[in-house]
Amino acid sequence: RKEVEQDPGPFNVPEGATVAFNCTYSNSASQSFFWYRQDCRKEPKLLMSVYSSGNEDGRFTAQLNRASQYISLLIRDSKLSDSATYLCVVNFGNEKLTFGTGTRLTIIP
Amino acid sequence: DAGVTQSPTHLIKTRGQHVTLRCSPISGHKSVSWYQQVLGQGPQFIFQYYEKEERGRGNFPDRFSARQFPNYSSELNVNALLLGDSALYLCASSLDLSPSWPQHFGDGTRLSIL
Repeated sequence: RKEVEQDPGPFNVPEGATVAFNCTYSNSASQSFFWYRQDCRKEPKLLMSVYSSGNEDGRFTAQLNRASQYISLLIRDSKLSDSATYLCVVNFGNEKLTFGTGTRLTIIP
Repeated sequence: DAGVTQSPTHLIKTRGQHVTLRCSPISGHKSVSWYQQVLGQGPQFIFQYYEKEERGRGNFPDRFSARQFPNYSSELNVNALLLGDSALYLCASSLDLSPSWPQHFGDGTRLSIL
């Protein structure tokens, strides 16, 4: 079983719709969680950290469920510029970030 | 403020050669990590350095090595290149070792092995 698992998609969503991604992780002792976005042939960019209480940044909402070991990302009122690959990232309390394979999102006009 | 800078941006090598990739972290960041990303996959951890010491190593062969300099910049060296080493090599920096601090990535070096 992979340490961090994501549905690779692709998700093709009409502009203005709401889309949600889920991610599961294997280690219950995991310490910190992030969502990164990566545009084609570009570097990953931090989208948001994920906190136990859940957090929101504009149209983006992240949730963490430690009991079930999953993380979610909700994008409301999706824009064409949201098209990207979304990477679920976990720090298991050691020196490295562990990435999921990413979920590819395409927003359709 | 400058972000993480990497050089070169692109590199073409042949099998058996060696390569050195360079990274300058964000000013004030003391931790530098290296990742390899092959097409269709998430980045895979190679090394982390903090205060010039290796603090973590991923599951990569000994052909891969790295170091960090007193100014916190870093080099990744790969010897005896194989076709499978073709990938995007990403450098990331963070303020320190705390897992809570996110890592910020450079644009990467795209390495192609012929």
